[in-house]
Amino acid sequence: DGGITQSPKYLFRKEGQNVTLSCEQNLNHDAMYWYRQDPGQGLRLIYYSQIVNDFQKGDIAEGYSVSREKKESFPLTVTSAQKNPTAFYLCATRERDSTYNEQFFGPGTRLTVL
Amino acid sequence: KNEVEQSPQNLTAQEGEFITINCSYSVGISALHWLQQHPGGGIVSLFMLSSGKKKHGRLIATINIQEKHSSLHITASHPRDSAVYICAVSGGGADGLTFGKGTHLIIQP
Repeated sequence: DGGITQSPKYLFRKEGQNVTLSCEQNLNHDAMYWYRQDPGQGLRLIYYSQIVNDFQKGDIAEGYSVSREKKESFPLTVTSAQKNPTAFYLCATRERDSTYNEQFFGPGTRLTVL
Repeated sequence: KNEVEQSPQNLTAQEGEFITINCSYSVGISALHWLQQHPGGGIVSLFMLSSGKKKHGRLIATINIQEKHSSLHITASHPRDSAVYICAVSGGGADGLTFGKGTHLIIQP
């Protein structure tokens, strides 16, 4: 099946530990995005990548890092520098020629830092 | 930066009622997106609009570009329509969408 996979669905970490969230897609889409969702707030853009080996900071990139070594994969690392890492994290993809920036979303990972 | 406002934030209605959710934005866009998020968290795209009106089953989305406003309507609402409905806008580039805070809809049997 074509789609976007995020694993795990629930993730628990101790404060001060780095953690990497996985996002894999087999849609052959060029662009990939990471968003963060907090209760009562809209989704906010963390990082995005339009092509392999290139990525751009979004609105709330501080405390996060990404890599894009393969077209299919765009992992997000939540570092210990992120002050409030507990949130729901969504990965999305977009086709290269999407005129209106239609994005397809993965199922999300809920990260809880204890 | 675009500001996206949705109303109402929360809406509880009885099964069968006609539902309207509103979205306004501050800066011109290339497209407006209506998304649905179920309790498990996954998001699905319902509509993508650049002008006019679109219909899919019991869902209707309209947009007025001049007024920078869009509405999502649900006819003959059903408990399975209970979800968070999110409005998002895109500016035409490859950067991310700008999202509203969502409308939490509950349809009671």
